[in-house]
Parts: sequence; C-alpha cells; structure tokens
Amino acid sequence: DAKTTQPPSMDCAEGRAANLPCNHSTISGNEYVYWYRQIHSQGPQYIIHGLKNNETNEMASLIITEDRKSSTLILPHATLRDTAVYYCIVKNNDMRFGAGTRLTVKP
Amino acid sequence: EADIYQTPRYLVIGTGKKITLECSQTMGHDKMYWYQQDPGMELHLIHYSYGVNSTEKGDLSSESTVSRIRTEHFPLTLESARPSHTSQYLCASSESAGSNIWAGGRNIQYFGAGTRLSVL
Repeated sequence: DAKTTQPPSMDCAEGRAANLPCNHSTISGNEYVYWYRQIHSQGPQYIIHGLKNNETNEMASLIITEDRKSSTLILPHATLRDTAVYYCIVKNNDMRFGAGTRLTVKP
Repeated sequence: EADIYQTPRYLVIGTGKKITLECSQTMGHDKMYWYQQDPGMELHLIHYSYGVNSTEKGDLSSESTVSRIRTEHFPLTLESARPSHTSQYLCASSESAGSNIWAGGRNIQYFGAGTRLSVL
C-alpha cells in the first residue's frame, strides 16, 4: 500500500486559496488518490479523488503531478467553515487514514 | 447525502455492561467499516466487512466484535465495557470494487455521524 506524507498543520487566510500538499512517492499505477476532510469530530467527508488527470468539483480541485508521486488539494476560496483535518489517501481498497493536515482558516 | 446511520449518538454506561452500537446503510454497499477515534487523534480501523457473513479485524486490536448478517446492517458489540473503551466509534460503507483493479475510483467511503461512548 502506498504511504502518504502530509504536513501536520497549515494556516490560510479567509478568502484565499488553500493549497494542501500530499506526497505519495510509492503509488502504484492503478491506485487512486482520495481526499477527505473531518470537521471537528464529525465523520470524515469525501471531497474528491483522481487517478492521473486533474479533477475539479464543487468543493475543490485536485492536481496530480505527471509522475503521480504527489498531489495538491486546492480550496479556491477558503472560508472559516473549511477549518478541518484533511486526509490524503492512496489505496484501491480498504481505506486507512493517517494523521492528515489540520487546516485552520483565519479571518 | 450519504444514507448511513449510527445509533445511539451518545452513550454513557457503567463498567461491565454489554453494549451494541448500531450501523445501517441503505445504499446497498457491500463493504462496511468500523473506526475508533479518540479526541484529536487519528482514525483507527478496527473491523471491516466485504459482504454478508464476511468480517475481518482491522489494524487496531479491539475487544469488540462485529457481525454482518444483512448487507445493510453492521453492528459492533462490546461484551463487557471498560473505561478504556471510551472513544468515538465511526461506521462507514463503500461500494465494492470487486476484482477490477481499475475500479478503485468507486471506493468512496460514506461515514455515519458516529457514536460517542463513555464508560464510567
């Protein structure tokens, strides 16, 4: 299983873009990159996933490097409600969650 | 919105009691999971199931047991609760990818709201 590395914490100003990095240098060819977030102690919420191409939905954009060894989740206009722990997961089956990145959006 | 439900949301019980945490989903998902999470800490997978009559232990050793008699139902049981079991328990489900290694894009997990358990 590919391991992921994320910074433990990040700050972002409200209204600015939040760029959350994730390294997954051991990713295999058929493994997807998933992003989830957990607000306070609620259940994690799915954000976005991708294999090779960049992806965008109503919540965020996912940029995956050409070699697939890293990715960046982009929240284009962060709000205070985006303060949460963000998890990057690389796995085809059976999701294991690491420590994630604690994003704090500040006024 | 995900259709996965956990009951109760909060439970305070005394040591030695037997408890069952309920988890149900109406999405027809084959795969279901139980995670344990202490405040401010990581999620730890404690049990999972690939389908009816399938149960597996996760990464974190747990004294709890699970059963999967029906697709939609995945209850977790503690035979004799102890203060060390105090934690939040989160249930999740996902569509099965089957044997297609390229179907990993269907592994979106949907989580319930969780059960906060306090054992006194």
